[in-house]
Amino acid sequence: DAMVIQNPRYQVTQFGKPVTLSCSQTLNHNVMYWYQQKSSQAPKLLFHYYDKDFNNEADTPDNFQSRRPNTSFCFLDIRSPGLGDAAMYLCATSRPGTGGYNEQFFGPGTRLTVL
Amino acid sequence: AQKVTQAQTEISVVEKEDVTLDCVYETRDTTYYLFWYKQPPSGELVFLIRRNSFDEQNEISGRYSWNFQKSTSSFNFTITASQVVDSAVYFCALSEPLSGGSYIPTFGRGTSLIVHP
Repeated sequence: DAMVIQNPRYQVTQFGKPVTLSCSQTLNHNVMYWYQQKSSQAPKLLFHYYDKDFNNEADTPDNFQSRRPNTSFCFLDIRSPGLGDAAMYLCATSRPGTGGYNEQFFGPGTRLTVL
Repeated sequence: AQKVTQAQTEISVVEKEDVTLDCVYETRDTTYYLFWYKQPPSGELVFLIRRNSFDEQNEISGRYSWNFQKSTSSFNFTITASQVVDSAVYFCALSEPLSGGSYIPTFGRGTSLIVHP
């Protein structure tokens, strides 16, 4: 089945130790997104790619970086995780539709714990 | 200003009750898209419905129905005869055009629905 896959599902890192979260998709969608979701809150968009065109949200900290080496894969790098970065990280994809983007398909998320 | 307001933080019902989740949005654009997503305890958001601003026709899908009212900027979601499996957090989202022509959804804070057996 076509899907969005995130690895790992659970990630534990130490304060200040770089960590990379990965996302892959078999849907062949042009657009990929990274969201941060903290407990009982709405998903917060960090950045998105339209193909290789990178779009950073204005309030995304510099500590967060992303790479998209090809259509299928997208990575989220957190260079120096702080305690406040502990959250669920959601990857999503969508394909552009007439007049805008269509609905998003989400992965299961990676829950990041920072010790 | 909050673009999508889901005023109900948590709703608790007993199985077989009907329940309506409210969503009020704010936009200055004439072209926009509205969505509902379900997030079960497993964490993965699941798309339920998309509606564009020119289509005010209400929709029914099984036990789910949606009422889109542009006059009140609302896009409410009703579950008829709720079941325990409906227990989840439900998010309403608004997608409107940004500079450069892209559409990026803004999510409401979500409504946690708990259905008791």
